[in-house]
Amino acid sequence: DGGITQSPKYLFRKEGQNVTLSCEQNLNHDAMYWYRQDPGQGLRLIYYSQIVNDFQKGDIAEGYSVSREKKESFPLTVTSAQKNPTAFYLCASSIVGLGGGELFFGEGSRLTVL
Amino acid sequence: KNEVEQSPQNLTAQEGEFITINCSYSVGISALHWLQQHPGGGIVSLFMLSSGKKKHGRLIATINIQEKHSSLHITASHPRDSAVYICAVNPQKLVFGQGTRLTINP
Repeated sequence: DGGITQSPKYLFRKEGQNVTLSCEQNLNHDAMYWYRQDPGQGLRLIYYSQIVNDFQKGDIAEGYSVSREKKESFPLTVTSAQKNPTAFYLCASSIVGLGGGELFFGEGSRLTVL
Repeated sequence: KNEVEQSPQNLTAQEGEFITINCSYSVGISALHWLQQHPGGGIVSLFMLSSGKKKHGRLIATINIQEKHSSLHITASHPRDSAVYICAVNPQKLVFGQGTRLTINP
């Protein structure tokens, strides 16, 4: 079945370490997104990509990096520069970008910094 | 003031009740999304609409563009409907509401 796969589901990191969250989709979607969710807040956009080899910063990109070398893959790296990385991270995709098409989400990755 | 406001923030009801969740927004939009987030965290898209009304099973979504308001209704609610319901609007990129936590008791 088509969908989005995020891994790992749970991740623990020591302060100062970089970690990479995986996001893979087999829906043939051009647009992919990374969101961060904190308790009591709406989803906030970290990065998005509307086409291979191109991506744009979202509202809270500082301390994060992404790549889009393949259409189906959009990994997110949480760097040591991110001051408060403990959060729930969601990857999503859509046929067209920026909310113009139905969104498909992964199951999320919960990152905890020890 | 947030661009997207949902109400109520929390809602508890008995099985079988008719549920309404509201979403008001302050920007011009091209589309509005209703999403459902399960207790495990995964999110499913319920509706994307830009006018009028859509229905899927026991779920109905309406939007009034002039009043900048949308409602999500659940008829004959069931405990499995317990989830967080999120409204998101698309001025140019998606802006999300904080969500409404719905609990349906048997």
